[in-house]
Amino acid sequence: KNEVEQSPQNLTAQEGEFITINCSYSVGISALHWLQQHPGGGIVSLFMLSSGKKKHGRLIATINIQEKHSSLHITASHPRDSAVYICAVRERSNYQLIWGAGTKLIIKP
Amino acid sequence: DAGVIQSPRHEVTEMGQEVTLRCKLISGHNSLFWYRQTMMRGLELLIYFNNNVPIDDSGMPEDRFSAKMPNASFSTLKIQPSEPRDSAVYFCASSLSPAGEQYFGPGTRLTVT
Repeated sequence: KNEVEQSPQNLTAQEGEFITINCSYSVGISALHWLQQHPGGGIVSLFMLSSGKKKHGRLIATINIQEKHSSLHITASHPRDSAVYICAVRERSNYQLIWGAGTKLIIKP
Repeated sequence: DAGVIQSPRHEVTEMGQEVTLRCKLISGHNSLFWYRQTMMRGLELLIYFNNNVPIDDSGMPEDRFSAKMPNASFSTLKIQPSEPRDSAVYFCASSLSPAGEQYFGPGTRLTVT
């Protein structure tokens, strides 16, 4: 079993829909990261969080430490949101990031 | 700030050749991470440095791979000799500290034929 599991693996939605991507992990962590990788390949850090909730524009990230679960939400989705969204957790015992497999999101106009 | 700078952006080389990938950190950042991304294995951490010192190189695949930080703002990842299975996108990322948010460079797409 992978230490970081994302769901769904692939998601196709219509423009305007509310999007939720989930991340579950099995190790003790000090922080969780959400990153975005566009078709061109560049990786952008969206959020780093260790508790509660963060919001940036149309993106919202939440984490429940007790349940070892995080969600990334996109409100009013747009075709430019199409990308791979990656969850990564930082183990409490060291500085290494453990990466999820990513969720490929396609938003159709 | 220009962000993390990587060069070259694309490299095509023949098996057996030496390959050197370069990375310039964001000014003021103290930690540098080298990653490799392939379709099969996703993103893998190869090595990371803090204050120019290699902290964890357990992800370096074998002795053909070596990384250095000759100064606080620059790093190289060298593969000698290169093999076709080294073909991947190599990213470097920098952060203020090992536990901080990481900022990724644009990557170097390496193809070894």
